[in-house]
Amino acid sequence: DADVTQTPRNRITKTGKRIMLECSQTKGHDRMYWYRQDPGLGLRLIYYSFDVKDINKGEISDGYSVSRQAQAKFSLSLESAIPNQTALYFCATSDIRGPSTDTQYFGPGTRLTVL
Amino acid sequence: KNQVEQSPQSLIILEGKNCTLQCNYTVSPFSNLRWYKQDTGRGPVSLTIMTFSENTKSNGRYTATLDADTKQSSLHITASQLSDSASYICVVSAKGSNFGNEKLTFGTGTRLTIIP
Repeated sequence: DADVTQTPRNRITKTGKRIMLECSQTKGHDRMYWYRQDPGLGLRLIYYSFDVKDINKGEISDGYSVSRQAQAKFSLSLESAIPNQTALYFCATSDIRGPSTDTQYFGPGTRLTVL
Repeated sequence: KNQVEQSPQSLIILEGKNCTLQCNYTVSPFSNLRWYKQDTGRGPVSLTIMTFSENTKSNGRYTATLDADTKQSSLHITASQLSDSASYICVVSAKGSNFGNEKLTFGTGTRLTIIP
């Protein structure tokens, strides 16, 4: 979905390096999310933010940090990358319109490889 | 622990044929169930979302059903096309403590391949 963009799309790095993945959206949504996807596993939530001043840990936040620079921007950082953080990372946004009706819109993903 | 299981893991069918994908879940308290389509190398795209009171919802050639009593859902694809080749992910939402604060549990997906 072109309304949600992620940079870079692919990244290869070495163990111990600091990496930042960036997400931008033009949908005007308040809610943004970071997920990782591994082969054979469902998407797992790393962090989420309901507005600029709200940051929450997901189920697998260890080793990651985030920054919500603006309504449209949500960055994910790996302070010291390790090989088991090799995965496909997705940013998503949502617009809550009522109970049980918020649809999530996903970016194209960032494929990260940690050697 | 909330879980979502999908079957089959993979499926190959001829173009033009119909198919049905299954999703069983143990998520409580249930809020809604979503089906997403994920093309290779791209992010998931929402197909349908159903709440407790809805037992069927269509989106073009895609029809999702929900049986909240048996905690099962299915996604039926009619007259398949080559562009239907993708992974289909079932996602179940559990109600959170606050309005809008729901927890999503993702299935691992069914990989569907349509062959000409």
